[in-house]
Amino acid sequence: DGGITQSPKYLFRKEGQNVTLSCEQNLNHDAMYWYRQDPGQGLRLIYYSQIVNDFQKGDIAEGYSVSREKKESFPLTVTSAQKNPTAFYLCASSYKGGSLTDTQYFGPGTRLTVL
Amino acid sequence: AQSVTQLGSHVSVSEGALVLLRCNYSSSVPPYLFWYVQYPNQGLQLLLKYTSAATLVKGINGFEAEFKKSETSFHLTKPSAHMSDAAEYFCAVSGPHTGNQFYFGTGTSLTVIP
Repeated sequence: DGGITQSPKYLFRKEGQNVTLSCEQNLNHDAMYWYRQDPGQGLRLIYYSQIVNDFQKGDIAEGYSVSREKKESFPLTVTSAQKNPTAFYLCASSYKGGSLTDTQYFGPGTRLTVL
Repeated sequence: AQSVTQLGSHVSVSEGALVLLRCNYSSSVPPYLFWYVQYPNQGLQLLLKYTSAATLVKGINGFEAEFKKSETSFHLTKPSAHMSDAAEYFCAVSGPHTGNQFYFGTGTSLTVIP
């Protein structure tokens, strides 16, 4: 079955540690996205990538980093510089980067808790 | 900048009653509009989208939405609520001035009362 997988489902981190969230898709989509979801705030874009080896900052990129070395993978690293990292993180993909009408397909999410 | 506003963070309806979830957009240029549904601890799933074709858009699970330019609205409706409709619903916008980004509303939590 085609889709997006995120791992792990739950992640606990101590303050000061970096942590990497995995996102893999087998939909052959060009574009991939990372969102952060907090209660009452909806989804906010962290980073997005329209093609391999290219990515752009979203509205809340500070304290996060990404890479896009393969079309199917778009890992997100939450660094110690992120002041309030506890949140639900969602990865998404769409067929073509730069298309504003393409449907975004979402993974099941990773819930990160900083202890 | 384009944005969407969802009026009512929580909506409760009785099973079998009309579902109406409100979404208004702010843009001088007609945008593209989407409704997504999220079940607890899951990702989002597209219900329907408006991409400048027919103004009345039909989606999955019996939902539909109407694009009204004069009201800058894209409200989501379903004639008869089912228990399985209980979820969080997000309106989203994209368009010529969003810089290839999609902007999501803050969400509306729908409760269906048996």
